[in-house]
Amino acid sequence: EPEVTQTPSHQVTQMGQEVILRCVPISNHLYFYWYRQILGQKVEFLVSFYNNEISEKSEIFDDQFSVERPDGSNFTLKIRSTKLEDSAMYFCASTDSRGLFFGSGTQLSVL
Amino acid sequence: AQRVTQPEKLLSVFKGAPVELKCNYSYSGSPELFWYVQYSRQRLQLLLRHISRESIKGFTADLNKGETSFHLKKPFAQEEDSAMYYCALTASGGSYIPTFGRGTSLIVHP
Repeated sequence: EPEVTQTPSHQVTQMGQEVILRCVPISNHLYFYWYRQILGQKVEFLVSFYNNEISEKSEIFDDQFSVERPDGSNFTLKIRSTKLEDSAMYFCASTDSRGLFFGSGTQLSVL
Repeated sequence: AQRVTQPEKLLSVFKGAPVELKCNYSYSGSPELFWYVQYSRQRLQLLLRHISRESIKGFTADLNKGETSFHLKKPFAQEEDSAMYYCALTASGGSYIPTFGRGTSLIVHP
């Protein structure tokens, strides 16, 4: 069965550095999402993307965050200047009518 | 605004015992409800959705609009059911953005 793939699985970065998290959604899906999960907390919505533009974003998704679909397959999340509180598991997801399909996540650690 | 509440952070049962993971929601319109599961070191995956009215891995969930609940049930828990379970809600007819509850960790002891 097709899967959403995310790379890298772990990313360690220094505070203030830029990071790019990569995702390859399932090929025939049209809606893409980023969620994050801080350790011990619930899964939080960041942003949704449809038709090559952001369709919705949460208050978490401030100017430090951006998303891009640079080609027909990749979907990236960029954090411009990371903060300690950005440390979390970041999940990419895509959807068809059956519900969200999640990637295995990228664990981001900001030191 | 839509909200999903899972009142139990942890549920611990013995193998063969019945399980009920509670989920309550708040939404003024007509919701779509889902249960997602995350096994240890695996990705979040869809377990079931209310409109399918299906049973997956012995689990069922019924949408009770009067009580605004969507509790997940299984009559006889198995050790392999140990996982994190998330209830999620989507506003039907609107943007497809599930709101997740904080999750319930189910531990099934042998």
